[in-house]
Amino acid sequence: GENVEQHPSTLSVQEGDSAVIKCTYSDSASNYFPWYKQELGKRPQLIIDIRSNVGEKKDQRIAVTLNKTAKHFSLHITETQPEDSAVYFCAVNDYKLSFGAGTTVTVRA
Amino acid sequence: KAGVTQTPRYLIKTRGQQVTLSCSPISGHRSVSWYQQTPGQGLQFLFEYFSETQRNKGNFPGRFSGRQFSNSRSEMNVSTLELGDSALYLCASSSSGEGAFFGQGTRLTVV
Repeated sequence: GENVEQHPSTLSVQEGDSAVIKCTYSDSASNYFPWYKQELGKRPQLIIDIRSNVGEKKDQRIAVTLNKTAKHFSLHITETQPEDSAVYFCAVNDYKLSFGAGTTVTVRA
Repeated sequence: KAGVTQTPRYLIKTRGQQVTLSCSPISGHRSVSWYQQTPGQGLQFLFEYFSETQRNKGNFPGRFSGRQFSNSRSEMNVSTLELGDSALYLCASSSSGEGAFFGQGTRLTVV
């Protein structure tokens, strides 16, 4: 099955700075890569996704990049705000969603 | 469109008992997946159902089982509960090739 590695496991950034989370996957046939945000006590929510035929996708302050050759993809959050504090999960869809272990992001005011 | 609904939200059970959790997917979604979430293990895939058939299964013991009905609603069952089964159980529904949308989860506590 798919093996998804996510780094770092924790990330602390100053408000206004950028945050980057990276994930690698093993199955080159995977073609859909969503990212989820889970706030404390809440369900994971889909925040952005990218397909294998696209190299980059942006939605306001968040962006995702995909390098299919290297089998890695990254989430970029710019101008971080306190409400960005949460656990972020990357996922890879190869018949089922395989999740990374999660990154706890803390934005310091 | 209504979101994914899971019932009950909270459960307390005793070791050795069994439990059944329910998930109603988003209308039109035929795929339902179940995940176990614990602080130390993250999101662990249990199984996925599509059109009443189990399509994928994770690495959980046979005490964990599920099914899906013709209206796409799904249930998961855990028999002979153990303390280590205490977790948040999340179900997610999806349409083919799209991301999954999660329910609020069922918080199971085994005492």
